[in-house]
Amino acid sequence: GAVVSQHPSWVICKSGTSVKIECRSLDFQATTMFWYRQFPKQSLMLMATSNEGSKATYEQGVEKDKFLINHASLTLSTLTVTSAHPEDSSFYICSARNLASSYNEQFFGPGTRLTVL
Amino acid sequence: GQNIDQPTEMTATEGAIVQINCTYQTSGFNGLFWYQQHAGEAPTFLSYNVLDGLEEKGRFSSFLSRSKGYSYLLLKELQMKDSASYLCAVVDSNYQLIWGAGTKLIIKP
Repeated sequence: GAVVSQHPSWVICKSGTSVKIECRSLDFQATTMFWYRQFPKQSLMLMATSNEGSKATYEQGVEKDKFLINHASLTLSTLTVTSAHPEDSSFYICSARNLASSYNEQFFGPGTRLTVL
Repeated sequence: GQNIDQPTEMTATEGAIVQINCTYQTSGFNGLFWYQQHAGEAPTFLSYNVLDGLEEKGRFSSFLSRSKGYSYLLLKELQMKDSASYLCAVVDSNYQLIWGAGTKLIIKP
């Protein structure tokens, strides 16, 4: 149990285009999902916390107009990178917190590798 | 401020034992996680400690001392596949995860 999927697993796009990444909790409900970014050889950087039915909470320094987050249901959150540029190339990982878990741990999706040319 | 410290890199030999330390200073404490992350992959859950003491799970054990703000992950009978980054993360008073930078573990034959 506690499986999180992400789609796509990798994407290459031209500078200026927008890219949407989906994060789904497959076998549990998640009121809270998290979006992380990880550059090579660096640790996870939390970008935003996504709560079902409400606006996402962005970390300092993350542009909310550039990284649009929608959490429309208890099993789906989407991250849209608008007008992507080469510096947005990174590994984007989502995680979901299982409502039913007493551990409060986050289960991670497999990640999406974004390359902007 | 909130701070999680763990060594950047460690090297160990196949079959040996290695201990990865993590010290933390956070606003409140609601548990500590250890995650394993192989290169190019997402993190996977290893352990959770909220009470003092040692939690053993197969070859991996995790220890917590809340009074010292200290935890360690102990890996026994090391295998080549254990080469990965090990991330320490603390749940603060707002139930947010505060992440350490990770320890890259290199296993040599």
